[in-house]
Amino acid sequence: GQQVMQIPQYQHVQEGEDFTTYCNSSTTLSNIQWYKQRPGGHPVFLIQLVKSGEVKKQKRLTFQFGEAKKNSSLHITATQTTDVGTYFCAVGSSNTGKLIFGQGTTLQVKP
Amino acid sequence: GAGVSQTPSNKVTEKGKYVELRCDPISGHTALYWYRQSLGQGPEFLIYFQGTGAADDSGLPNDRFFAVRPEGSVSTLKIQRTERGDSAVYLCASSQSSYNEQFFGPGTRLTVL
Repeated sequence: GQQVMQIPQYQHVQEGEDFTTYCNSSTTLSNIQWYKQRPGGHPVFLIQLVKSGEVKKQKRLTFQFGEAKKNSSLHITATQTTDVGTYFCAVGSSNTGKLIFGQGTTLQVKP
Repeated sequence: GAGVSQTPSNKVTEKGKYVELRCDPISGHTALYWYRQSLGQGPEFLIYFQGTGAADDSGLPNDRFFAVRPEGSVSTLKIQRTERGDSAVYLCASSQSSYNEQFFGPGTRLTVL
């Protein structure tokens, strides 16, 4: 079945530093979604990318979908302590909408 | 309006027992999903309902797991003869249609002793 590899597994940054997590697949993806899960919480939707080469921004967050639609990235500029959590990419099935999640990248931000 | 709710929030049971986990999706959402999340892992898909029917149950690990959504709203995940390996957080999500963003509930933490 479809799988996505997400790296790195963990990232510790100083507040104010940038952060990037990457999601890679060996197959072409129909779409990709990004979710954030705070410690002890549940996944919360951030964005969906559908088009090849698509770039979307939400304040300090920038999301990219690769030209070949096989990879995606989430970049956070000038991290804040509120950015702490685990960021998941998830591939949406073209048939049912079920999501296949990556392993997640856990971000720790030191104040 | 209210988000997705799940009950109970925690369930402790003994190996071999039967459990039911309930999900109340957002009103009007036709798509409903069950996922299972183990510590340090991403959510793992179990089953998807479109309306009352299970449109994709390919993620159910074995025949001890079953889910229903008889009226197209509330869903119940049923686990028979629980095993210690079933211990995880069971997440429910709903969406307006199959390809929209999914709204997750707080989850039910199942512990099988």
